[in-house]
Amino acid sequence: EVQLLESGGGLVQPGGSLRLSCAASGFTFSSYAMSWVRQAPGKGLEWVSAISGSGGSTYYADSVKGRFTISRDNSKNTLYLQMNSLRAEDTAVYYCAKDERPLGWIQLYPFDYWGQGTLVTVSS
Amino acid sequence: EIVMTQSPATLSVSPGERATLSCRASQSVSSNLAWYQQKPGQAPRLLIYGASTRATGIPARFSGSGSGTEFTLTISSLQSEDFAVYYCQQYNNWHTFGPGTKVDIK
Repeated sequence: EVQLLESGGGLVQPGGSLRLSCAASGFTFSSYAMSWVRQAPGKGLEWVSAISGSGGSTYYADSVKGRFTISRDNSKNTLYLQMNSLRAEDTAVYYCAKDERPLGWIQLYPFDYWGQGTLVTVSS
Repeated sequence: EIVMTQSPATLSVSPGERATLSCRASQSVSSNLAWYQQKPGQAPRLLIYGASTRATGIPARFSGSGSGTEFTLTISSLQSEDFAVYYCQQYNNWHTFGPGTKVDIK
C-alpha cells in the first residue's frame, strides 16, 4: 500500500525557514518523480515544485523560485522541501504527491497518491 | 504559464441528478488533463487522467471528455459521497490547477 507521510510543518515568523519531509513507502520511490503542492486556507491547489526520480532535475513555481529547494534521499525514501525567506502568503497545507507513472520528467503525469498534508503558518 | 478556469464556481444538484463541470485551458494542453475530488480536511483524490481515463477504483458514474482547451467532467447520478470540490489540472506544461467547482446539495 502506497503511503506518503509529511512532517515538519509549524508556526514560523516571516523571513524564517522550515524544512518539510515526506516519508514514502509501498512503491519504488526512486522510480517516481515527486511534487509538493500547497493549499492556502480556504483556497485552491497550487503546485510548488517537482523533482525527478534520480533527484538530478528540479523545477519550481515562480512564486517560490529562489526561496524553496526540493530534494530527495532515495536511500531513505524521503522527499524534502527546504523553505527559506518565508512570507505570510506561504501559509498553507503542504502536500507531497506521487506521479501516477514511473520515470516521468520529459513526459509529465498527474498525481495518484497524496499525503495527508502538513500545515505551515507564517506569522509574527 | 497555462491558466486554468473552471465553471461554475458552485453547482447545486439534487442526489440522483446529473452534474456537468467545465474546465478551460488558456492554451492547448492536448489530453494532459486530470480531475481531482477533494472533501473537507482530506487530500485531493485523482478521478480522471488523460482527459477521459478513470483512475483505479473510480466508479463508472464519473466520466471525462474533451481535448485541447475545453474539458468536461460528468457525474451521471450524484451520490451523497460525491458532494465535494472538484479541481482540474493540466500537466502538459508542468502543473496548473483550476480554481475548483464546489458541488453542493440542492
